[in-house]
Amino acid sequence: AQKVTQAQTEISVVEKEDVTLDCVYETRDTTYYLFWYKQPPSGELVFLIRRNSFDEQNEISGRYSWNFQKSTSSFNFTITASQVVDSAVYFCALMGDTGFQKLVFGTGTRLLVSP
Amino acid sequence: NAGVTQTPKFRVLKTGQSMTLLCAQDMNHEYMYWYRQDPGMGLRLIHYSVGEGTTAKGEVPDGYNVSRLKKQNFLLGLESAAPSQTSVYFCASTLTENQPQHFGDGTRLSIL
Repeated sequence: AQKVTQAQTEISVVEKEDVTLDCVYETRDTTYYLFWYKQPPSGELVFLIRRNSFDEQNEISGRYSWNFQKSTSSFNFTITASQVVDSAVYFCALMGDTGFQKLVFGTGTRLLVSP
Repeated sequence: NAGVTQTPKFRVLKTGQSMTLLCAQDMNHEYMYWYRQDPGMGLRLIHYSVGEGTTAKGEVPDGYNVSRLKKQNFLLGLESAAPSQTSVYFCASTLTENQPQHFGDGTRLSIL
């Protein structure tokens, strides 16, 4: 069975602070894909990143960075110098490679960035 | 760029009523999905389709039916709405299975 755990239900920070959102996953598949999505207060789901299990390189995109560690089954997301516009619910998701490739979501972490 | 369009955006139903949610995508995607989002539970897959004319059950299919008569459209039906189906419904599509899914803006459905 595939599972994604986002243990942090809600995080509150002040603008310009760095913040890390944790994501721990479980899968028996050798090949799998990890995703992060952002859901701002307006409600839509915005794709942020996709990473496959064979690519453990960390990725940086502007103020966003992702740390993928297979040894700890984690795919953490860091926002550097947070801004009010970063306030949203962030979902981590996992897709395995066995049978139908269903996307399994974590329960999300709500990030509140105050000015 | 329309992407994935869901109609309606909001709806209030009475228990026992029926309705259909429409999802339309203009990206020529093969795969389409219906999810529901409930507080504290993330998104859960209701039904999905791997191509025109095909449908399959997801994680929480009970009480819902779907149809994919045209490649660009994926319909979600509630035959007899129940309060437990109060939720936000999202449609998504993707060209191939492991690519990022493109989501619609959601439909907020309340059943009284």
